[in-house]
Amino acid sequence: NAGVTQTPKFQVLKTGQSMTLQCAQDMNHNSMYWYRQDPGMGLRLIYYSASEGTTDKGEVPNGYNVSRLNKREFSLRLESAAPSQTSVYFCASSESLLGLVGYTFGSGTRLTVV
Amino acid sequence: DAKTTQPNSMESNEEEPVHLPCNHSTISGTDYIHWYRQLPSQGPEYVIHGLTSNVNNRMASLAIAEDRKSSTLILHRATLRDAAVYYCILRVLYNTDKLIFGTGTRLQVFP
Repeated sequence: NAGVTQTPKFQVLKTGQSMTLQCAQDMNHNSMYWYRQDPGMGLRLIYYSASEGTTDKGEVPNGYNVSRLNKREFSLRLESAAPSQTSVYFCASSESLLGLVGYTFGSGTRLTVV
Repeated sequence: DAKTTQPNSMESNEEEPVHLPCNHSTISGTDYIHWYRQLPSQGPEYVIHGLTSNVNNRMASLAIAEDRKSSTLILHRATLRDAAVYYCILRVLYNTDKLIFGTGTRLQVFP
């Protein structure tokens, strides 16, 4: 089925370790996004990419970097993981930056930093 | 940033209509009103969105107040599969592009 694919689904890191969360979409969408969701809360935007080659900060970008590798792929990197980054991470994509259509979300990556 | 306010939880019986309210009194003229729902251990799923006029699709209807300070998501006949957390979200597009999530309404559907 077409959609947004995230890998890995689960990950446990030690404080200070680094890792990259991968995201790919096969809907030919221009815009892609990374969100985090803490327990009992709504999602908060980390970074987004309006098109291939561009990225912009969202609400909570500190501690993260992103790469828009091509139109399909948007990765999120934690250079030095901290316990405060324990969360569920969602990638999303959208056909338009102009709010005219909805987002499609992946199933999430559950990250625990110990 | 504009924020949304929703009841923490609501209950419904199967096959009855459900009206989920949302207040967004500080909405800006360019903000779209989006609704998403989230099942346990899944990503949010798009339901519907609108700007000024009421909207209908196969999943639900969206009623927007004339002053745009509130909206209501209408599920015409609730099913057990509609049990989820429903988020009323403003898509802020002025100088940025982001969805401002609220805390959502947990909908329980009873058989």
